[in-house]
Amino acid sequence: AQSVTQLDSHVSVSEGTPVLLRCNYSSSYSPSLFWYVQHPNKGLQLLLKYTSAATLVKGINGFEAEFKKSETSFHLTKPSAHMSDAAEYFCVVSDRGQAGTALIFGKGTTLSVSS
Amino acid sequence: DSGVTQTPKHLITATGQRVTLRCSPRSGDLSVYWYQQSLDQGLQFLIQYYNGEERAKGNILERFSAQQFPDLHSELNLSSLELGDSALYFCASSADWTEDNYGYTFGSGTRLTVV
Repeated sequence: AQSVTQLDSHVSVSEGTPVLLRCNYSSSYSPSLFWYVQHPNKGLQLLLKYTSAATLVKGINGFEAEFKKSETSFHLTKPSAHMSDAAEYFCVVSDRGQAGTALIFGKGTTLSVSS
Repeated sequence: DSGVTQTPKHLITATGQRVTLRCSPRSGDLSVYWYQQSLDQGLQFLIQYYNGEERAKGNILERFSAQQFPDLHSELNLSSLELGDSALYFCASSADWTEDNYGYTFGSGTRLTVV
C-alpha cells in the first residue's frame, strides 16, 4: 500500500528565509507524488506533481520539490518565504489500482511565516 | 475558481438526519472523487466514480453512498448522521480514471456540521 509521512506537523520561518517541508513516501512501484496547499477556509490547490519525468519538479509560487528514490523522499522547498505562503501543506501519493485511483494524503504541515 | 463546483458550501443538520452533497466536475472531466477532511482523521479518500461507474472505494461508511449521473455530476449521500460526521467534504475531478496534467482539481468543499 502507498503511504506518505510528513515529518513535521508545524514549521515556522521568517519572511525571506528558505522553506523546507519534509515528506517521505512508501510505494511498491514508481509513484505519482504531489504537493497541495490549503489556505485557511479555502480548498486544495495543486503546487506541483511528480510523475516519473524530471526528478526536480518546479511548481507554482516559486516552490519546487526533488524526488529522491534512494531516500524515498519528496521534500518541498522555496528559497525565500513570503507572508502569503502561510498555509497547510499536504504531501500526497497516488494509489493507482487497476480501475481507479485514490489519493493518500499526509497529515499535513502547517507553515507559519513571521515578519 | 477551480472549475469544480460544490454545493452547498455550508450545511448544518441534526443527528439522525440525511443530507446530500453535490459536485459538478470541471468541464470535460470524467472522474469524480470524494474526500472527507476532519481534525482527527485528516484528509481521507471516500470513493471515486468514472463516467458513471464506481472505480475505487476508500474508507467510506455504509451509511454513506454516492453516485455519478449521466451529466457527470455526483452526489454524496450521508444518512443517520452522527456528531462525528461533522467535517469538510471535498470533491475533486480529473479527466481520466487517474491524474491528468492538472493533477486532481479540487472544489472548495462543503462544510457539514451535525448538531
